[in-house]
Order: sequence, then structure tokens, then C-alpha cells
Amino acid sequence: DVKVTQSSRYLVKRTGEKVFLECVQDMDHENMFWYRQDPGLGLRLIYFSYDVKMKEKGDIPEGYSVSREKKERFSLILESASTNQTSMYLCASSPGLAGASNTGELFFGEGSRLTVL
Amino acid sequence: AQTVTQSQPEMSVQEAETVTLSCTYDTSENNYYLFWYKQPPSRQMILVIRQEAYKQQNATENRFSVNFQKAAKSFSLKISDSQLGDTAMYFCAFMKPFRAMFSGGYNKLIFGAGTRLAVHP
Repeated sequence: DVKVTQSSRYLVKRTGEKVFLECVQDMDHENMFWYRQDPGLGLRLIYFSYDVKMKEKGDIPEGYSVSREKKERFSLILESASTNQTSMYLCASSPGLAGASNTGELFFGEGSRLTVL
Repeated sequence: AQTVTQSQPEMSVQEAETVTLSCTYDTSENNYYLFWYKQPPSRQMILVIRQEAYKQQNATENRFSVNFQKAAKSFSLKISDSQLGDTAMYFCAFMKPFRAMFSGGYNKLIFGAGTRLAVHP
């Protein structure tokens, strides 16, 4: 089974702090994604990566950056956390386009609930 | 731009009964993929069912089935014989076909706002 692991389930940070959210997948997937989940808004894409060291902005990249130094690991960085970044963050992965197993399905981690005070 | 609308923020159903969750979407694409994802309380999101737009036959997965109306751009999820374990947030999602994406081969999904389903004993 595909396993996507997010390092922290719950975090509490203060305004202005730098925050790292880590995500690791064990299925050799090319694609990795960071979504933000808020009530009434569903899931919104922050950033995604389709290869090591490659990244693309999603729909709401402002205030965030990402890092993908290794294929299995995709990190989301909040350089200076603000209260409006209090949210649930979901990491996901999927095979690349060339993968015969790519049905379009995303495989999600359990989520990281971040509270910024 | 594509949009996905789930008009029912919350729904409830009695155990063993049938419930239908609605989803509409807007796109100018002719070929695309639609998904229903389930997010149980404090657990990871998983795929429930997938539909390819070029297939006329509605997808089914055990107790889960869809009513795909392409002309109406509607994609509802029917859960038969509801079970307590079906209690979850359900998200409808849209994806453009792979060939419409530029190089990289990623599959970018657009999600609806979600429907919270409660199954009562």
C-alpha cells in the first residue's frame, strides 16, 4: 500500500515563526502536492512538484515555499507564520504521467493541523 | 477555469438507508476525470470512486455508485445500505485529461467544498 507520512499531526506556532511541514512517500511517486483544507473552501493547491528540485505554484502560493531535494520528500515552508495560515495541511503524491499505474488518483497523508497564535 | 460545486454542506442518513450527495462542475473540456474522495474523522483521505468522462456507463464500487450526467455537468454519489463507517467528509474532484497538461505529467485536481455526512444508528 502507498504510504504518505506527514511528520506532525498537530502544531502550534507563534506569529512570525518559521514553520516546516515534512512529507514522505514510500512508493517512488514522481508527483507530490501540498493542499490546504479549510471549512467551506475544500482543498486548495499551494504548491506541487513533478520531479526532484522541480516545483510549480498552485492556486494559493503566497506566504509559502517548498523544497524537494529527494524524490520521496516534499517540504512545505512558512517563512513567517501568520494567523491566517491556521489550517489543515494535506500532502499527497501520485505516479508520473508515464506510469501505467497513474489513474489520476492522489494518495494523501493524514494531515497536519497548524495553529498560529 | 474549472470549478466544482457541492451544494450540500451537511447531510445525515440512518444506517442501512440510501443517501445521495450532489456535485456539479463547470468545464469546457470534453474529456476529463471525476472523483469522489472520502475523509473519515481524523483519518487520511481515500479515493471512493472514479469516472472517466468518455465512458457513458456509471462507475460503481460495491455500495457506492455515481450518476454521471455529462450534459448537465452533474456527478452525484449514491451510497446504498449506509454504514456507520461511512461517516466522513466527502469531496468531489475534477481533473483535466493528461494530454491537456503541459510537460511533467502531474494530475492537478480541483476539489469542491465538501459534504459532511453523518450516518446515525
